[in-house]
Amino acid sequence: AQSVTQLGSHVSVSEGALVLLRCNYSSSVPPYLFWYVQYPNKGLQLLLKYTSAATLVKGINGFEAEFKKSETSFHLTKPSAHMSDAAEYFCAVRAGGKLIFGQGTELSVKP
Amino acid sequence: ETGVTQTPRHLVMGMTNKKSLKCEQHLGHNAMYWYKQSAKKPLELMFVYNFKEQTENNSVPSRFSPECPNSSHLFLHLHTLQPEDSALYLCASSPLKGQNNNEQFFGPGTRLTVL
Repeated sequence: AQSVTQLGSHVSVSEGALVLLRCNYSSSVPPYLFWYVQYPNKGLQLLLKYTSAATLVKGINGFEAEFKKSETSFHLTKPSAHMSDAAEYFCAVRAGGKLIFGQGTELSVKP
Repeated sequence: ETGVTQTPRHLVMGMTNKKSLKCEQHLGHNAMYWYKQSAKKPLELMFVYNFKEQTENNSVPSRFSPECPNSSHLFLHLHTLQPEDSALYLCASSPLKGQNNNEQFFGPGTRLTVL
């Protein structure tokens, strides 16, 4: 069965620092993987997705993620954090027409 | 905006009340979903509708009753809820075919408080 695990329920970085949010997946078939962002009091917004094309996927707001099959990982990165990046981030894997979400990682950005 | 709207955005109800949540999508999608998001918990998929037919019910208590009259509208009827049902209820939609058939588009959610 497909599943995702997000390492760290809370990550704090300084403005301008590298953002790294970790996601590992489990899938018996080639996975479709997603990162969503949720700002306070909002719904989820798609950041980027991997659908078996390029392993390095670029998304909105300067985020990108790299699919590494050997490590079963799909970590989300951004070279330089901005205050507006503070939000909750969810990794998800498609499974049988549904999305299975990780537990989420809350990103805080310090001035 | 994602093209998925939800009303109301906030709802406070007593345990004996009956209320309904509404979701509408303007994207021409054929699949719609209800999720429950509680504090410190992963998103829980509640119901899935494909072409107006319910295809999944994840052991949701009967006090939650979904309705999908057409591919653009989805309702969640609530009655005799419990305080632990307080949560953010998210609606999503997706196309069933085509390049973006894996992606779900989410509404802003309804923040439900049960007293």
